[in-house]
Amino acid sequence: QVQLQESGPGLVKPSETLSLTCTVSGGSITNYFWSWIRQPANKGLEWIGRVKASGSTTNYNPSLKSRVTMSADTSKNQFSLNLNSVTAADTAVYYCARDLGSSLGKGYFDHWGQGALVTVSS
Amino acid sequence: QSVLTQPPSVSGAPGQRVTISCTGSSSNIGAGYDVHWYQQFPGIAPKLLIYSNTNRPSGVPDRFSGSKSGTSASLVIAGLQAEDEADYYCQSYDNSLSASRVFGGGTKLTVL
Repeated sequence: QVQLQESGPGLVKPSETLSLTCTVSGGSITNYFWSWIRQPANKGLEWIGRVKASGSTTNYNPSLKSRVTMSADTSKNQFSLNLNSVTAADTAVYYCARDLGSSLGKGYFDHWGQGALVTVSS
Repeated sequence: QSVLTQPPSVSGAPGQRVTISCTGSSSNIGAGYDVHWYQQFPGIAPKLLIYSNTNRPSGVPDRFSGSKSGTSASLVIAGLQAEDEADYYCQSYDNSLSASRVFGGGTKLTVL
């Protein structure tokens, strides 16, 4: 059974970079897409973007594209999210998830991490 | 403001049947993109409930079913149980200028 676990700082200062890593166990990250999704407190879900482990193809939400970078490390079975120039509006629970979509128009998230709360505050 | 519109809340008594709607437009559901549904309990990550409009992952009870027509999709929960009380989200893809995967705003299901 595939399991995902987010890790990274829980507190980030405004204007700095939010960095999270998702470690996958129970299966290889190779040949799959992997997404990041966030959820502000008491609000809905927002897709941030995705990365394919082999070849490092990325797709980002246009609303965040200028600030987002994603990468994958197949040797560690991990993938990562960097979100720069953060503000309080970026405070949320960040989830990593396996993305079963050969294209953006097709695809859903079948395995999720437990989520990591990141607070942006000085 | 989500491009997929869901009712903020629905409710039903145990044993009843409830429907949660997900209304989109010609740039998402109406364009033929699949709709997927997730169930989320407080403080827990979402769980895939229905994929590609009508399909249930292994382990999801057949009380849960999905459908899609035109610019809308629906999640039906039959034989409502207390354990079904949760938030439900639809998800699809929008091909407008800001093309992206999109979620509905979520629906809180209360079992009376």
